[in-house]
Amino acid sequence: RKEVEQDPGPFNVPEGATVAFNCTYSNSASQSFFWYRQDCRKEPKLLMSVYSSGNEDGRFTAQLNRASQYISLLIRDSKLSDSATYLCVVNDATGANNLFFGTGTRLTVIP
Amino acid sequence: NAGVTQTPKFQVLKTGQSMTLQCAQDMNHEYMSWYRQDPGMGLRLIHYSVGAGITDQGEVPNGYNVSRSTTEDFPLRLLSAAPSQTSVYFCASSYSIAGGRMNTEAFFGQGTRLTVV
Repeated sequence: RKEVEQDPGPFNVPEGATVAFNCTYSNSASQSFFWYRQDCRKEPKLLMSVYSSGNEDGRFTAQLNRASQYISLLIRDSKLSDSATYLCVVNDATGANNLFFGTGTRLTVIP
Repeated sequence: NAGVTQTPKFQVLKTGQSMTLQCAQDMNHEYMSWYRQDPGMGLRLIHYSVGAGITDQGEVPNGYNVSRSTTEDFPLRLLSAAPSQTSVYFCASSYSIAGGRMNTEAFFGQGTRLTVV
């Protein structure tokens, strides 16, 4: 079983749409959760950390449900520049900072 | 501020050749790691280091060696390249989560696209 599972998509949405991505993780001891963004042929970059209380950064909202081991990312008012692959990332709780990555969900925002 | 610098960006190797992928960071991060990214697989951890002189294996360590003689550098060595090692390799660094740090951001190098023929 993969440590982190997410729907690979692709998601094709019009500009201005709201889109939600979900992922589940298998290690209940994981303590840190993130969404990273990866543009085509580029390195991953941190989009936002995910906190138990939920957190928002502009048009982006992340939620964590520890009981269900479920993480979500909501993007409101999608822009063309949001087109990318979104990676759900969870740490391994060993005391190092090893990260487990989902396979990524590809988003294309269409004019 | 260079961040994480990886070289080379592209490499073609013949089966059986060896090479070293270089990674350097200038953020004084304790933790460094190497991942490979393959289509449909996500990023998978090869080796990691929590500080100079300390290295350990990740999910997919076979065929690779690492060393960490300084805080800044974490090279990845392919001992005898195989076609199965064709992939995109990313080096990453972050502050250690030791001491209670949480949600430490990982910074990635630009990646090395390796093809083994």
